[in-house]
Amino acid sequence: DAGVIQSPRHEVTEMGQEVTLRCKPISGHDYLFWYRQTMMRGLELLIYFNNNVPIDDSGMPEDRFSAKMPNASFSTLKIQPSEPRDSAVYFCASRDFVRGETEAFFGQGTRLTVV
Amino acid sequence: QKEVEQDPGPLSVPEGAIVSLNCTYSNSAFQYFMWYRQYSRKGPELLMYTYSSGNKEDGRFTAQVDKSSKYISLFIRDSQPSDSATYLCAMSRSNDYKLSFGAGTTVTVRA
Repeated sequence: DAGVIQSPRHEVTEMGQEVTLRCKPISGHDYLFWYRQTMMRGLELLIYFNNNVPIDDSGMPEDRFSAKMPNASFSTLKIQPSEPRDSAVYFCASRDFVRGETEAFFGQGTRLTVV
Repeated sequence: QKEVEQDPGPLSVPEGAIVSLNCTYSNSAFQYFMWYRQYSRKGPELLMYTYSSGNKEDGRFTAQVDKSSKYISLFIRDSQPSDSATYLCAMSRSNDYKLSFGAGTTVTVRA
């Protein structure tokens, strides 16, 4: 397996624009997580899914953020409208808890810059 | 107060030195303790995993958990320049799949 795949790797957008980040988890993994990493706040959990169903979105900062997982192999994180304070690295991670795996595998991240 | 506190660093050591990294936490329900390593512009990757209290050794790496003090440590012996990275502690409760991360400590091992 190629691991967790995120796209794009880098995104520069203007304030007010819609941004969509994409994630393909490892095949067979039943949990998917979206994290945001900044220097000030470190790695923060935004939302996670179990079997494509959102379980906990309490980390989503505002209504401007939304996430979907239409099927087991694809998830999106959307920011609309984007603001400069959304600039961060966004990571997607997946985990196979059914098999008792404790490790969450992270993607390479999407570095978002909102100007 | 954050749920997980980690020494901010940065830490710079000469090659061959012992690196000591620490985290404290406030939630006594945490049972699973992990250390992730993150190279620059990469995603975190699991380095060590420990369940409940005790020590675990893997090559040059030793993880320690002291639940009575709510304190975990990672030691890197005979550090190498390739160990230069950011190290993040992470922990979760039993049957809870959310990981709470520390802020991370950036380590540089000088050749």
